[in-house]
Amino acid sequence: NAGVTQTPKFRILKIGQSMTLQCTQDMNHNYMYWYRQDPGMGLKLIYYSVGAGITDKGEVPNGYNVSRSTTEDFPLRLELAAPSQTSVYFCASGAEQETQYFGPGTRLLVL
Amino acid sequence: QKEVEQDPGPLSVPEGAIVSLNCTYSNSAFQYFMWYRQYSRKGPELLMYTYSSGNKEDGRFTAQVDKSSKYISLFIRDSQPSDSATYLCAMNDYGGATNKLIFGTGTLLAVQP
Repeated sequence: NAGVTQTPKFRILKIGQSMTLQCTQDMNHNYMYWYRQDPGMGLKLIYYSVGAGITDKGEVPNGYNVSRSTTEDFPLRLELAAPSQTSVYFCASGAEQETQYFGPGTRLLVL
Repeated sequence: QKEVEQDPGPLSVPEGAIVSLNCTYSNSAFQYFMWYRQYSRKGPELLMYTYSSGNKEDGRFTAQVDKSSKYISLFIRDSQPSDSATYLCAMNDYGGATNKLIFGTGTLLAVQP
């Protein structure tokens, strides 16, 4: 039981490039989330999903897209990377009315 | 006003001390309260989880919720250097359709040997 896994661990992007951050959970959780964490700013919700085929915007969705074709996977797509997207990205999953379990994070640097 | 307020610290204590970490919140609909521990360059790890008011104890950790004051606390007894981390409080409302958590910004704790 691996929990929530994320790839890659670290990535450097040039301005304008695109990439997909991968997230997989093996706990059969319906709810999945993407957060970004900036120093001193706490965790900001980017997108979330309440089940396969259903996604919705969080607090800071601009510049990102998601899809949820299966219960297990919830990839985050960055289009036209900008320096403001330099951050640490965390994926999380949770069962209904319970708490969330986080992955190890992806550190992204946009230069 | 932020929905959840948390003193960022840093909080430095000697080994063996009792540590008190706190959050205040403004939304009276919050019913589920969590504490996460985050080591440097790692993901948040669920530490304690309580529903509604009251106390919950797990080893050296005790979580308290006072809904009347909109105030939650995490106490760490006999603190150890391995407790040095950032502690994040989080909460959500009962019956919420999305199960979205609202996080505090975290308190950085350093336990000195």
